Amino acid sequence: DVKVTQSSRYLVKRTGEKVFLECVQDMDHENMFWYRQDPGLGLRLIYFSYDVKMKEKGDIPEGYSVSREKKERFSLILESASTNQTSMYLCASRINLRVLGTDTQYFGPGTRLTVL
Amino acid sequence: AQSVAQPEDQVNVAEGNPLTVKCTYSVSGNPYLFWYVQYPNRGLQFLLKYITGDNLVKGSYGFEAEFNKSQTSFHLKKPSALVSDSALYFCAVRESDYKLSFGAGTTVTVRA
Repeated sequence: DVKVTQSSRYLVKRTGEKVFLECVQDMDHENMFWYRQDPGLGLRLIYFSYDVKMKEKGDIPEGYSVSREKKERFSLILESASTNQTSMYLCASRINLRVLGTDTQYFGPGTRLTVL
Repeated sequence: AQSVAQPEDQVNVAEGNPLTVKCTYSVSGNPYLFWYVQYPNRGLQFLLKYITGDNLVKGSYGFEAEFNKSQTSFHLKKPSALVSDSALYFCAVRESDYKLSFGAGTTVTVRA
């Protein structure tokens, strides 16, 4: 089974702090994704990475950056946390899209971040 | 405009009754459609997907979904709901090689 882990389940930070959210997958997947989940809005894509050191902006990248130095690890960085970044953050991974039907993304348990 | 819509915020059913969670999509061409479930304090779990072929797709935990191209719908169904099916359900459509668009989610409550 694919396993995607996230470094923290709950995190409380103060406005202006730099925040690191870590995600690790153990299935040698090339693609990794960061989403935020807010009530009534579903999941919105922040950034994704299609391979090591490669990254692309999603729909809501403002206020965030990412790092993918190793294949198994994808980090989300909040350079200066703000209260409107209080949310649930979900990481996902997926094998590269070579064969029809490999679209399935596998999700981690999520990190609930509160910025005070 | 959103690519996928879940018209119901909440669905309430009695245990043993049929469960339907609605989803409509608006991407062009042949859609790739997905259903995910999120149990309390957990990440999303994949339930099923439609890529091509048979319009009725069977997935995990006794769920199935029917792709209807003329109605642009992909409703999730379960013939007999369980209390343990109470969760948040998300429909998603593939918009590009790297992007899934998710609906807002439907909270399902199954009462004993």
